[in-house]
Amino acid sequence: DSGVTQTPKHLITATGQRVTLRCSPRSGDLSVYWYQQSLDQGLQFLIQYYNGEERAKGNILERFSAQQFPDLHSELNLSSLELGDSALYFCASSGRPSSGNTIYFGEGSWLTVV
Amino acid sequence: QKEVEQDPGPLSVPEGAIVSLNCTYSNSAFQYFMWYRQYSRKGPELLMYTYSSGNKEDGRFTAQVDKSSKYISLFIRDSQPSDSATYLCAMSEDQGAQKLVFGQGTRLTINP
Repeated sequence: DSGVTQTPKHLITATGQRVTLRCSPRSGDLSVYWYQQSLDQGLQFLIQYYNGEERAKGNILERFSAQQFPDLHSELNLSSLELGDSALYFCASSGRPSSGNTIYFGEGSWLTVV
Repeated sequence: QKEVEQDPGPLSVPEGAIVSLNCTYSNSAFQYFMWYRQYSRKGPELLMYTYSSGNKEDGRFTAQVDKSSKYISLFIRDSQPSDSATYLCAMSEDQGAQKLVFGQGTRLTINP
């Protein structure tokens, strides 16, 4: 158990809908990352938050947004969903930058868009 | 061309064999190199972490980085059926930003 908690574990929704994925980082970790894993694209970095502020942005679509709350949990919002958004979405967390590059991944949220 | 290339396999070897997994990359700014193991339908877990060129050993696992060739390897000695998983290499430029770029992953099966 990595200590990173993601909900829901599985989600099936229709095209055009909006969903919210939630993540609780490991206790004490200030950074939260979101990654998308699909069969054709592999594991891709979407966005990073550090202590509530956006720190880095990757290949995140404009239809997707994220935020990190004062209690450090994070949400990834996916809107106007398309079939191609079906993927496994991982949240990960890490401590302060001085503690190294150890990033701990959650179990993921399986999103199926039908 | 992808920044990180990794042979997706699948790779199947007998128990006890030495396994070699490799990645090549094109971005010379990468300084931090990692190997993750991912079991089916689970999150990736960090196996090895290396900064810059050199070797690092941890039990049955050895990671090698050759920045001059832009090539990294993971060796697994005395492979066990429990090592069957997908292995992903990952790299980043900056320790602070920690934006990881992953390879496609190699699916490995160790046959008893």
